[in-house]
Amino acid sequence: SYELTQPPSLSVSPGQTAGITCSGDELGDKYVCWYQQKSGQSPVLVIYQDRKRPSGIPERFSGSNSGNTATLTISGTQAMDEADYYCQAWDSNTGVFGGGTKLTVL
Amino acid sequence: EIQLVESGGGLVPPGRSLRLSCAASGFTFDDFAMHWVRQAPGKGLQWVASIYWNSDRMDYADSVKGRFTISRDNARNFLYLQLTSLRAEDTAFYYCAKDSSGSSWHTFDYWGPGTLVTVSS
Repeated sequence: SYELTQPPSLSVSPGQTAGITCSGDELGDKYVCWYQQKSGQSPVLVIYQDRKRPSGIPERFSGSNSGNTATLTISGTQAMDEADYYCQAWDSNTGVFGGGTKLTVL
Repeated sequence: EIQLVESGGGLVPPGRSLRLSCAASGFTFDDFAMHWVRQAPGKGLQWVASIYWNSDRMDYADSVKGRFTISRDNARNFLYLQLTSLRAEDTAFYYCAKDSSGSSWHTFDYWGPGTLVTVSS
């Protein structure tokens, strides 16, 4: 079965750029979405089709996808961005999530 | 405003059944595919099942295939998940999610608050 791999955790200082990676076999041939989940809340879509932002998502969130790696980049990270982030793609009509990355802003 | 509200969760013994419901509002329900995604307490997200706008296609995770059934009632704007032969490993928050497309799998663009299913004797 298809797998997506994310680093379990990442720490950044406020104002720095955070890059969360998601790797999978030929992932660049698929569309990747990214979801933000704050403690005790439901997930929220922050990036879809590799690099598009839904309305209401700040411009500091951006995405890319090429080769075997997709990346969610948060520029000028703020304390409110502290959350778990999940990448997601479809493979043979099966939904696949990465294991999630806990982003700590300190 | 798009709203998805799940219900039907609770404590159930292993081997029993449960039906989850998701009430949808704020959008044209029968224009969009819908999904169920679950999350065991303290764990990551796991896709469970998906259904086209017209119920022409349903897909399931291998871990629930043959035990869970996804369905929808477009007249009432409801999504359902019938859970049977429940196991301890099915314990999770179950989220209802809307797709951005009607007849293909794209994006979980809106999520409900979830309902907790606990499988335990």
